[in-house]
Amino acid sequence: QVQLKESGPGLVQPSQTLSLTCTVSGFSLTSNSVHWVRQPPGKGLEWVGAIWSGGSTDYNSALKSRLSISRDTSKSQVFLKMNSLQTEDTAIYFCTRGTSYWGQGTLVTVSS
Amino acid sequence: DIQMTQSPSFLSASVGDRVTINCKASQNINKYLNWYQQKLGEAPKRLIYNTNNLQTGIPSRFSGSGSGTDYTLTISSLQPEDFATYFCLQHNSFPNTFGAGTKLELK
Repeated sequence: QVQLKESGPGLVQPSQTLSLTCTVSGFSLTSNSVHWVRQPPGKGLEWVGAIWSGGSTDYNSALKSRLSISRDTSKSQVFLKMNSLQTEDTAIYFCTRGTSYWGQGTLVTVSS
Repeated sequence: DIQMTQSPSFLSASVGDRVTINCKASQNINKYLNWYQQKLGEAPKRLIYNTNNLQTGIPSRFSGSGSGTDYTLTISSLQPEDFATYFCLQHNSFPNTFGAGTKLELK
């Protein structure tokens, strides 16, 4: 069945770079888009960016200058890299298959 | 970006009640509106896609309706497992945007 699982460091220091991995199963990255969505504690959901089946990417305009999404189709993995992290980037980060299936999310805390 | 206004933010109800949750878009989203259920520590689950299509495996007590800018999720008879947070997502216009969520609590 379709599964997505996010993994990452949990704690990142301010100004450092966040690297997250979304490992998927049950579907092909070359036939489906994968999106990243985040949810700050106690706040609403925010779309972060996406990598489409053909490999092109789109990013939230507010994050675009700090953000990169890539993938390794042979490993069924999608990667998110965000630099210059600030405390307001503290959130649960989810990866999703299109608008259908979601991972459980991984909490990223930005703190020194 | 399209703004999604979801209401109510909190809803207190009893098992067996019929409840409705609303999402209003800042412009026409052509029925590209999904509903999700979120429980603490779990992956959000899609219930309804494109306004009124029930996701496979979701009980028929969940239904969706709407058009233009106004959309509704209805749970016809609440069950104990339905107490959770619900949110909407529009995917008509990029970027996708979300409602703020409705926390459904047991009265």
